[in-house]
Amino acid sequence: EAQVTQNPRYLITVTGKKLTVTCSQNMNHEYMSWYRQDPGLGLRQIYYSMNVEVTDKGDVPEGYKVSRKEKRNFPLILESPSPNQTSLYFCASSPGQPPYEQYFGPGTRLTVT
Amino acid sequence: DAKTTQPTSMDCAEGRAANLPCNHSTISGNEYVYWYRQIHSQGPQYIIHGLKNNETNEMASLIITEDRKSSTLILPHATLRDTAVYYCIAVKTSYDKVIFGPGTSLSVIP
Repeated sequence: EAQVTQNPRYLITVTGKKLTVTCSQNMNHEYMSWYRQDPGLGLRQIYYSMNVEVTDKGDVPEGYKVSRKEKRNFPLILESPSPNQTSLYFCASSPGQPPYEQYFGPGTRLTVT
Repeated sequence: DAKTTQPTSMDCAEGRAANLPCNHSTISGNEYVYWYRQIHSQGPQYIIHGLKNNETNEMASLIITEDRKSSTLILPHATLRDTAVYYCIAVKTSYDKVIFGPGTSLSVIP
């Protein structure tokens, strides 16, 4: 089944403890992206990647890192999480530039205490 | 990137057509209009997209005005399962940031 998977789905952690949220797609998509969603603010893009080893900042990249070493994987790294990074995170992928649509993962709910 | 504006919320009676408006008055010629929806806190789901012409698929119809400054998503026969937040976004044909606004919360009422 074609899908975008994220792990973990739920995570509670403490301030400053490095964490990685994984994202993987099995559709051979070029484009991948990370979003965060907070109440009343819709989805805000964190980083996106056009292909392997090519990434760029979205609207809210501060406090996050990404890497794209393989086409299928696009992990999101929080080197020193803070409580303001408590949010619902979505990974998405797309075959390429528009007119292609994005396929979203199920989300990861992160709580930083 | 063009900014889109949508009403915060709308109601629609079950079985009736739901017409969701979107304003994108600053859209440029190389930007598509896309619609996604999100049910509860699930991952957003693609609905439809268009550039200049009206589009229809099995889920919905998209009507884009001739000047491309606004569009309307039409769900022809709304069901309770269409209750969701609907996002209208403008996306460039080249790789660039994608900006989602808060969307429209549609409630389909029995």
